[in-house]
Amino acid sequence: GENVEQHPSTLSVQEGDSAVIKCTYSDSASNYFPWYKQELGKGPQLIIDIRSNVGEKKDQRIAVTLNKTAKHFSLHITETQPEDSAVYFCAASFGNQFYFGTGTSLTVIP
Amino acid sequence: KAGVTQTPRYLIKTRGQQVTLSCSPISGHRSVSWYQQTPGQGLQFLFEYFSETQRNKGNFPGRFSGRQFSNSRSEMNVSTLELGDSALYLCASSIGTGGSGANVLTFGAGSRLTVL
Repeated sequence: GENVEQHPSTLSVQEGDSAVIKCTYSDSASNYFPWYKQELGKGPQLIIDIRSNVGEKKDQRIAVTLNKTAKHFSLHITETQPEDSAVYFCAASFGNQFYFGTGTSLTVIP
Repeated sequence: KAGVTQTPRYLIKTRGQQVTLSCSPISGHRSVSWYQQTPGQGLQFLFEYFSETQRNKGNFPGRFSGRQFSNSRSEMNVSTLELGDSALYLCASSIGTGGSGANVLTFGAGSRLTVL
């Protein structure tokens, strides 16, 4: 089955700096790659997603890039703010199942 | 529009007991998936239901089971609880089934189970 690896597991940045989280996947058939943000005491919330026919997608301060050849995709957060502090999960979708990374705990230091 | 509702939010059980968790999906969503979340393991897929039928199952023992009702509400059951079953159980609903971009998962807040 699909295997999704996510790095780093923890990340601390100064407010205003950029944060990058990287994920790799194993199955070239995966064609949908969502990113979720999970705040304390809440369920994961979709923040951005990308499909296999697109190389990059942006939504304000958040962007995701996909390299199908290398089988990796990344989340980029610019101008980080304290409210960006949360756990972020990447996922790869293959068939009728989603495979999640193990999460990155992002801390934005004011 | 109401989100995905999971009950109960917190519960404590002892080893050997069983537990039933409930999930009400977003209105109009027919697919419900369940995930187990533990520290360091991320989200592990349990199963997916669509139109009252289990469409896919993850790699969990038979002690974990689920069902879906005609109104799309879903329940999962864990029998003969073990200490390792302590986790946050997340339910997610989507309009349809399948893993394409057309079927975005919306998660509930989860049910935190502690097994003593």
